[in-house]
Amino acid sequence: VIWMTQSPSLLSASTGDSVNISCRLSQGISTYLAWYQQKPGKAPDLLIYGASTLQNGVPSRFSGSGSGTDFTLTISSLQSEDFATYYCQQYYSFPPTFGQGTRVETK
Amino acid sequence: EVHLVESGGGLVQPGGSLRLLCSASGFTFSSYTMYWVRQGPGKGLEYVAGISGDGGSTYYADSVKGRFIISRDNSKNTLYLQMSSLRAEDTALYYCVKDDRMRATDWFFDYWGQGTLVTVSS
Repeated sequence: VIWMTQSPSLLSASTGDSVNISCRLSQGISTYLAWYQQKPGKAPDLLIYGASTLQNGVPSRFSGSGSGTDFTLTISSLQSEDFATYYCQQYYSFPPTFGQGTRVETK
Repeated sequence: EVHLVESGGGLVQPGGSLRLLCSASGFTFSSYTMYWVRQGPGKGLEYVAGISGDGGSTYYADSVKGRFIISRDNSKNTLYLQMSSLRAEDTALYYCVKDDRMRATDWFFDYWGQGTLVTVSS
């Protein structure tokens, strides 16, 4: 099983800020990484796959980077609708596993 | 538009059984691998099980292997999860989830239902 560590667990930010969320893995996965956004009481939404490819309809202020064991989700100018919890997920090996989540809250 | 609607959740005693259903629409159901992913109360996401488009291959997390059975009826566009020998740690919101790629398995998830809650408690 590939273990995943997201940091920080909680991120306090203001509208307009640029924020970075890190996802580190216990072994290399090339670019087989996805990011999801989950709002309270809702199902997760796919944001990014292949470490950096934006899902259709996702705003361009979201971007992903990294390969191997270190990945980053960047939100370039935080909007009010972006306050949510974000999860990374590896799909390099079975079983697919998720990070523990990063909650982005209003400062 | 893709729709995934789960049902069948509820309160069950430890050791009991429950069957979840997911009704799918808006895409060619038989062409996609489908999954169940769960989320414990206040917790993160956990892969549970997956099944290929033709139903010929199934993939289980170790935590549920031997206790849960995933299946599908492509004539009814419905995904199932038969859960038995339920434990308190199986308490979670169970999501029906669609694979991203047609006629293949990418193992990441582009559409999610709203979930059905399973509570295992005496």
